[in-house]
Amino acid sequence: DTEVTQTPKHLVMGMTNKKSLKCEQHMGHRAMYWYKQKAKKPPELMFVYSYEKLSINESVPSRFSPECPNSSLLNLHLHALQPEDSALYLCASSPGQGHYEQYFGPGTRLTVT
Amino acid sequence: GENVEQHPSTLSVQEGDSAVIKCTYSDSASNYFPWYKQELGKGPQLIIDIRSNVGEKKDQRIAVTLNKTAKHFSLHITETQPEDSAVYFCAASCREGGSEKLVFGKGTKLTVNP
Repeated sequence: DTEVTQTPKHLVMGMTNKKSLKCEQHMGHRAMYWYKQKAKKPPELMFVYSYEKLSINESVPSRFSPECPNSSLLNLHLHALQPEDSALYLCASSPGQGHYEQYFGPGTRLTVT
Repeated sequence: GENVEQHPSTLSVQEGDSAVIKCTYSDSASNYFPWYKQELGKGPQLIIDIRSNVGEKKDQRIAVTLNKTAKHFSLHITETQPEDSAVYFCAASCREGGSEKLVFGKGTKLTVNP
């Protein structure tokens, strides 16, 4: 089973709202990722967690705040977003320890009004 | 840092024909090259991958070839079917901050006409 789940599927939020995206995997993977994908573009890496520690932050604005509560869960907390932040937010996981294959979830379609 | 170029950006074939998508990468330290298929409204799906110690890998109608010297790799789909229509992304791994990350090509929209 290579399933990564994400909730919610769709989210509409105002610029003053605070919301969270959730990602879960039960494959025992030790690396988890957040990506942002705009229409007709490739996924753009935002954050990498390795063994529950933040290892890569691709200079993402502080209105995006990641959290890894345990090895199976990854959250992305959103606050004071801008309309240009509207996109598909993808979570992925990979086994780690020399295994680099990443498995993506279905994504959360975010609209900022 | 790593840079991945992907061609063509769009590809239209007749059902039953073959399709080939090509990618080049810049960082000779990259050693893992996956291909993803993304259908409309879905997340990318890993369809095949290859490591740098292997020149070719095949899985039914899909194959990937890697030329490390020239720093390019290709996806080959034979006997295409309408359900192969999707956007395909190539990627190359690179190391940063003690972790591996993927750098993606810009994608190829494949259309298989019945």
